[in-house]
Amino acid sequence: QKEVEQNSGPLSVPEGAIASLNCTYSDRGSQSFFWYRQYSGKSPELIMSIYSNGDKEDGRFTAQLNKASQYVSLLIRDSQPSDSATYLCAVNGVNDYKLSFGAGTTVTVRA
Amino acid sequence: ETGVTQTPRHLVMGMTNKKSLKCEQHLGHNAMYWYKQSAKKPLELMFVYNFKEQTENNSVPSRFSPECPNSSHLFLHLHTLQPEDSALYLCASSLTGGRDEQYFGPGTRLTVT
Repeated sequence: QKEVEQNSGPLSVPEGAIASLNCTYSDRGSQSFFWYRQYSGKSPELIMSIYSNGDKEDGRFTAQLNKASQYVSLLIRDSQPSDSATYLCAVNGVNDYKLSFGAGTTVTVRA
Repeated sequence: ETGVTQTPRHLVMGMTNKKSLKCEQHLGHNAMYWYKQSAKKPLELMFVYNFKEQTENNSVPSRFSPECPNSSHLFLHLHTLQPEDSALYLCASSLTGGRDEQYFGPGTRLTVT
């Protein structure tokens, strides 16, 4: 059973700052890594996927993956109040239909 | 309709009722999933269907019964539920199983009284 751990938060950052979210996973064979954003009362929304070691950038979001350290992170640059949400890290295996989710980190961006 | 849709969005049912949740995906995907999200707990995978075949039942009680008549539709039939089954039930789909990105519907907020 894969375990996915996220920094517990909540994380409060001022508007314009960088929010840094961390996630570790236990299954060394994991191949697919995702970040979802979930606003209160809403469903998770996919914001990033990463499959290879290194960085992947999409707008203000950067995902970083280090398989050797079993670590994936998400950076939110120039944080906006609209980024206030819970961010879920999810990990999948090679031939595994199961997506294991972390408990989430709640981010609050202070105006 | 686009993406993944779910009906109803809210449901209140007694413990002796029978109800069904419906999910439809308009993405041309072949895998569909049911998840449960309870307060202060991580998302829990319940069932997986890949090309209409159930490939995963994550030790879900028999009072939850899934049905997948085709790759676009997924149902969750509910009967004799318990108050602890109150949660947000989420449907998701992906192109196939495995590495593919999963996209979620808006969810059904279920309250069991």
